[in-house]
Amino acid sequence: AQSVAQPEDQVNVAEGNPLTVKCTYSVSGNPYLFWYVQYPNRGLQFLLKYITGDNLVKGSYGFEAEFNKSQTSFHLKKPSALVSDSALYFCAVTYSGAGSYQLTFGKGTKLSVIP
Amino acid sequence: GAVVSQHPSRVICKSGTSVKIECRSLDFQATTMFWYRQFPKQSLMLMATSNEGSKATYEQGVEKDKFLINHASLTLSTLTVTSAHPEDSSFYICSAREGGGGRNQPQHFGDGTRLSIL
Repeated sequence: AQSVAQPEDQVNVAEGNPLTVKCTYSVSGNPYLFWYVQYPNRGLQFLLKYITGDNLVKGSYGFEAEFNKSQTSFHLKKPSALVSDSALYFCAVTYSGAGSYQLTFGKGTKLSVIP
Repeated sequence: GAVVSQHPSRVICKSGTSVKIECRSLDFQATTMFWYRQFPKQSLMLMATSNEGSKATYEQGVEKDKFLINHASLTLSTLTVTSAHPEDSSFYICSAREGGGGRNQPQHFGDGTRLSIL
């Protein structure tokens, strides 16, 4: 079975400050990790993924994430937050044994960037 | 980039009505599409995996006779909520994966359908 934990329901950060949204995972094989962002009443937009290779992954809108195998984490980061980054962020995982490579999502973290 | 179009964006209808939601991949072929349901302030719950040309695979607890899925082409999957009741009110989101659906490919999501049953 696979699972994803996003320990924070909400993260508040001041505009211009660095932001981190936490994610830990549990899978029985090699993980394939994704971050998505959701704006109100919209679907999810893909931000970045980790499949293999470099542990630091760069994605859309200046976001990046660091894969840490020993800590089973894949935290989302951005050096300088923008007000427009305020949204709901989902971490998701699949693995090689998952049927149709189904994604399992975390519960989501609401990011609020304060002007 | 890959675009998934979901229609309609919002439906308000009376109890007992059947509602069809369409999910189209506009610029790529998708052998596999996924249907999710999202409750307020909650994560996405996978309802079923839709496979082109074959029967959908439903997750445990999802009634296949209630939520009919048809994936008749490589660019279109439909979800029909039959005889909808107020408890079916929710935000339904579809997604599709490009190409052969390998693990390297992210899912691309539609903008969702807000279903409200009166």
